[in-house]
Amino acid sequence: DGGITQSPKYLFRKEGQNVTLSCEQNLNHDAMYWYRQDPGQGLRLIYYSQIVNDFQKGDIAEGYSVSREKKESFPLTVTSAQKNPTAFYLCASSIGHRSYNSPLHFGNGTRLTVT
Amino acid sequence: GQQVMQIPQYQHVQEGEDFTTYCNSSTTLSNIQWYKQRPGGHPVFLIQLVKSGEVKKQKRLTFQFGEAKKNSSLHITATQTTDVGTYFCAGPVRNTGNQFYFGTGTSLTVIP
Repeated sequence: DGGITQSPKYLFRKEGQNVTLSCEQNLNHDAMYWYRQDPGQGLRLIYYSQIVNDFQKGDIAEGYSVSREKKESFPLTVTSAQKNPTAFYLCASSIGHRSYNSPLHFGNGTRLTVT
Repeated sequence: GQQVMQIPQYQHVQEGEDFTTYCNSSTTLSNIQWYKQRPGGHPVFLIQLVKSGEVKKQKRLTFQFGEAKKNSSLHITATQTTDVGTYFCAGPVRNTGNQFYFGTGTSLTVIP
């Protein structure tokens, strides 16, 4: 089955530690995205990548970093500089970066708790 | 900042009643998509509207795209408990490199 795999499902970290969230897709999609979801605020875009070795900041990129060394993988690092890292993180992909009409396919998400 | 707003934020209905959520964008959208997120789950794509004034139906769900391509609505007829979840609209905003802006979402509760 093709899809997007996010791991782990739950993640706990101490304040001040960096943490990396994994996102892998086998849909052969060019574009990948990271969203953050907080209660009552919908989904906010952190970073997106339209093609391998290229990525752009979304609205709330501060305190986060990404890499896109392979088409299948788009890991997100939550750094200690992120002031409120506790949230539900969703990774998504879509067919092509020039296709404005392609829907997003989401992973199951990672719930990060930082104490 | 948030460019796509949805109202209402929460809606409680008796099973069998109708439900509508409205989506408004501050800028023109090339297309609009709707997603449903069940409690504890992830957003799942429902439908896409592309043309100005377009109306599409999926069983009890009716989706509309405004003439100016800045607003949209989702109407559910005769809600069922399986309709419970949060409904999001989303669209790629022009001149932002295909950034998908999601609406704030409408959380639907259906009371049996």
